[in-house]
Amino acid sequence: DSGVTQTPKHLITATGQRVTLRCSPRSGDLSVYWYQQSLDQGLQFLIQYYNGEERAKGNILERFSAQQFPDLHSELNLSSLELGDSALYFCASNRQGNYGYTFGSGTRLTVV
Amino acid sequence: TQLLEQSPQFLSIQEGENLTVYCNSSSVFSSLQWYRQEPGEGPVLLVTVVTGGEVKKLKRLTFQFGDARKDSSLHITAAQPGDTGLYLCAGARSGAGSYQLTFGKGTKLSVIP
Repeated sequence: DSGVTQTPKHLITATGQRVTLRCSPRSGDLSVYWYQQSLDQGLQFLIQYYNGEERAKGNILERFSAQQFPDLHSELNLSSLELGDSALYFCASNRQGNYGYTFGSGTRLTVV
Repeated sequence: TQLLEQSPQFLSIQEGENLTVYCNSSSVFSSLQWYRQEPGEGPVLLVTVVTGGEVKKLKRLTFQFGDARKDSSLHITAAQPGDTGLYLCAGARSGAGSYQLTFGKGTKLSVIP
């Protein structure tokens, strides 16, 4: 157990639907990062939150949004889902000033 | 544009052999990390290198950061089946309170008993 908890582990949904992925960071970590991993693109950075505020944005589609709550857990919302959104979605956390990330075990999203 | 190029993409070797995987970029990074990922799991941090020319050893794994902080290598001595996995390098850029990592696509290593 890495200390970063992601739920659900697997998600199957239809095109056009909306889903929410949840992440609880390791205790004491203030930053949460979301990554998408697909076979052809590898790990792609989506967005970073630090202590409830958005800090950096990567290749995140407008259909996707995220937030970090006062208890530091984060949610990634994916809407109007397309087949191409099928991927592994990882959440990672770290402490300020510590570059090393601790990853969760991911959510495998399948859009059918 | 893939900022970090890893080579080789795939590597299959016999137990006991040595190997080196490479991570190259045209960009300078403030630090570089190596992770190992097993199927169905998230990447696990192996090492962080910060200083150009730095060499770090972790048991049979040796990591080197290039002098110009643009490239890195991972050398495994006497590979074992437990070394099998996807090895990812990641470059860190810092600024405005963000420590964003850019990942390479990885080297998939298979060590055959």
